[in-house]
Amino acid sequence: DADVTQTPRNRITKTGKRIMLECSQTKGHDRMYWYRQDPGLGLRLIYYSFDVKDINKGEISDGYSVSRQAQAKFSLSLESAIPNQTALYFCATSDLSGPIQYFGAGTRLSVL
Amino acid sequence: DQQVKQNSPSLSVQEGRISILNCDYTNSMFDYFLWYKKYPAEGPTFLISISSIKDKNEDGRFTVFLNKSAKHLSLHIVPSQPGDSAVYFCAASALGGTSYGKLTFGQGTILTVHP
Repeated sequence: DADVTQTPRNRITKTGKRIMLECSQTKGHDRMYWYRQDPGLGLRLIYYSFDVKDINKGEISDGYSVSRQAQAKFSLSLESAIPNQTALYFCATSDLSGPIQYFGAGTRLSVL
Repeated sequence: DQQVKQNSPSLSVQEGRISILNCDYTNSMFDYFLWYKKYPAEGPTFLISISSIKDKNEDGRFTVFLNKSAKHLSLHIVPSQPGDSAVYFCAASALGGTSYGKLTFGQGTILTVHP
């Protein structure tokens, strides 16, 4: 089983809909991250959490919110989806010893 | 402002030859650098890293070189194999302060290794 699991793997939704992407991990890491990948732009940080009570905005947090329900679970919500949020979304985790992050397989989101 | 840049969107190499992927950064606070490899339909996987106290780190066929004065790093793959065909991301981190643990990624380079 994957250490970092993202659900769903693919999602198509309509403009204006609320959508939640979920991430769970079995690595026992305290730190969790949400990124989006767009062609030619690499991975950009949306939100990150260094422990259950800590939530921080990344470089592109507008239009997104997150919830850290437990050490192992970190969800990303789009309150009102718009077409330019069509992208590949990745969740990642890391422990306290260093910056190496471990990624889930990604969620491909299309907003029509 | 792109703090980590991979200026080559793609690279094509013959099997058995050397692949050299380049990365430049602008933030002098970065002191730890990583390379990730990504296959289609999978998440990025960690490949190799280097601390700013070193100028070279080697792991099998993969070597990362760091030139701090030029704010430049490169990943060498020797010999290249068709299974190395993937997108390669360079990433950087500042180990101290409030940025500890955060990674800043480059745009990625698509490597294609031809048999």
